[in-house]
Amino acid sequence: KQEVTQIPAALSVPEGENLVLNCSFTDSAIYNLQWFRQDPGKGLTSLLLIQSSQREQTSGRLNASLDKSSGRSTLYIAASQPGDSATYLCAVRPGSGYSTLTFGKGTMLLVSP
Amino acid sequence: EAGVAQSPRYKIIEKRQSVAFWCNPISGHATLYWYQQILGQGPKLLIQFQNNGVVDDSQLPKDRFSAERLKGVDSTLKIQPAKLEDSAVYLCASSQQGIKAFFGQGTRLTVV
Repeated sequence: KQEVTQIPAALSVPEGENLVLNCSFTDSAIYNLQWFRQDPGKGLTSLLLIQSSQREQTSGRLNASLDKSSGRSTLYIAASQPGDSATYLCAVRPGSGYSTLTFGKGTMLLVSP
Repeated sequence: EAGVAQSPRYKIIEKRQSVAFWCNPISGHATLYWYQQILGQGPKLLIQFQNNGVVDDSQLPKDRFSAERLKGVDSTLKIQPAKLEDSAVYLCASSQQGIKAFFGQGTRLTVV
């Protein structure tokens, strides 16, 4: 059974810092990995998706890397802003494209002005 | 492009009552998911549809939860009777095969 762990559970940083969120998964036979953002009381917004054959994906100030063999992914946020404050969730899709996403518990990020 | 639509956004019911949630996925997305997210936890899959067939419902409490996806488009999730521990956000998502999943805004259920 696939298990996804996210560290740290919570993170508080001052505005402008670069930061790294970590995600690990137990079964390296994944199809893809997706990072989401969740604002309080809201649904999930997809940030980046990395296919199993890819090493990283970038979108603006966000960069996600994937090391499938070691079962790890990181989400790098450059020059953090107060608007980045949210919970960040990592989810893996194991095996085939028909399989479902398995989520971690998330990292709650607070960026203070 | 319209996103995943869910209704209602909020619902408060008493325990032992019944409740239903509705989801309209993105047009053309064959896969539809219902997730339950308890406060402080990651989303947990309840049921996954591929068109109008069930792919995975292994974590659906079938004694009280039911879901259907008629004509392979809209879906409803029902709880009957509700328990206090069902208080959570219910998220609907859709995707094309294996590609990025898109989530709705969720329905926040409070059982009192």
